[in-house]
This record gives sequence, C-alpha cells and structure tokens, in this order.
Amino acid sequence: DVKVTQSSRYLVKRTGEKVFLECVQDMDHENMFWYRQDPGLGLRLIYFSYDVKMKEKGDIPEGYSVSREKKERFSLILESASTNQTSMYLCASSLTSSPEQPQHFGDGTRLSIL
Amino acid sequence: AQTVTQSQPEMSVQEAETVTLSCTYDTSESDYYLFWYKQPPSRQMILVIRQEAYKQQNATENRFSVNFQKAAKSFSLKISDSQLGDAAMYFCAYRRYNNNDMRFGAGTRLTVKP
Repeated sequence: DVKVTQSSRYLVKRTGEKVFLECVQDMDHENMFWYRQDPGLGLRLIYFSYDVKMKEKGDIPEGYSVSREKKERFSLILESASTNQTSMYLCASSLTSSPEQPQHFGDGTRLSIL
Repeated sequence: AQTVTQSQPEMSVQEAETVTLSCTYDTSESDYYLFWYKQPPSRQMILVIRQEAYKQQNATENRFSVNFQKAAKSFSLKISDSQLGDAAMYFCAYRRYNNNDMRFGAGTRLTVKP
C-alpha cells in the first residue's frame, strides 16, 4: 500500500512565523500535491510538483512556497504565517501524471495560526 | 475554469438503505475523469470510485455505483446497503485528461443511522 506521511497531525504557530509542513511518500511517485481544505470550500490546490525541483502553482499559491529536493519529500512553506492560513492541509501523491493514476492522500495537518 | 458543485451539504441514511449523493460539474472539455473520494473521521481521503468520461458504462465498485450523465454534466454516487462505516465526508472531483489539476466539490457529509 502507498503510504503518504505528513509530519504533524496538529500544529499551532504564531502570526509571522515561518512554518514548514513536511510530506513524505514511500512509493517513488512522480507527482506530489499540497491542498488546503476549508469547510464549504472543499479542497483547493496550493502547489504541485511533477519532478524533483519542479513545481507549479495551483489555485491559491499566494503566501505559500514549496520545496522538492528529493523525490519522496515535498514541503509546504508558509513564509510569514497569517491567521487566514489556519486550515487543514492535505498532501497527496500519484505515480505518474496519467489521470488513471489515483492520488493517495496523507492524514492531513490541522494548522492553527494564533 | 472547471467547477464542481455538490448541492447537498449533509445527507443521512438508515443503515441497510440506499442513498444517492449528487454532483454536477462545469466543463467544456470532452475528455476527463470524475472521482468520488471518501474522508472518514480519521481524515485520510480514500478513493471510492472513478469514471472515465469516454466510457458510457457507469462505474461500479461493490456497493458503490455512479450515475454518469455526460450531457447533463452530472455524476451522482449511489451507496447501496449503507453501513455504519460509510459515514464520512464525500467529495466529488473532476480532472481534465491531460492535466494534473484536480477540482473538488465542497463535500457532502453523510450520516448513517443505526
């Protein structure tokens, strides 16, 4: 089974802090994704990566950056956290870009910015 | 831009009964994929069922089936013989054929009553 592991299940940070959310997958997947999940809005794509050091913006990249130095790891960075970034963050991966390949999700990180 | 609409924020069903969750989407594409994901209280998103737009036959996975109406841009999920473990948030999602970007609806929270 594919395992997508997010480093923290819950995280509390302060406004202005630099925040790192880590995601690791163990199945040599090419693609990795970061989503934000908010009630009534579903999941919205922040960034995705289709290869090491490659990234593309999703729908809501403002205030976020990403890093993919190794194939198995995809980090989401909040450069200067703000209260409107309080949310659930979901990481996902897929084997290839083929739409037949499903996305596998981690358990999510519930981030609170105080 | 493609949008996915789930018009039922909450649904409930009696155990062993059948329930249908609605989803509509907007697209000008002819090739795409549609998905239903389940998110139980444990938070991990799990793929329930997938439908390729070019296939006329409705997808089925055990107790889960879809009613795909391409012309109406409708993609409903039917759960037969509902079980307590089916209680979860259900998300409908759309993905263009040659694109990594997946669009999610706002979700429907399903409650199963014993």
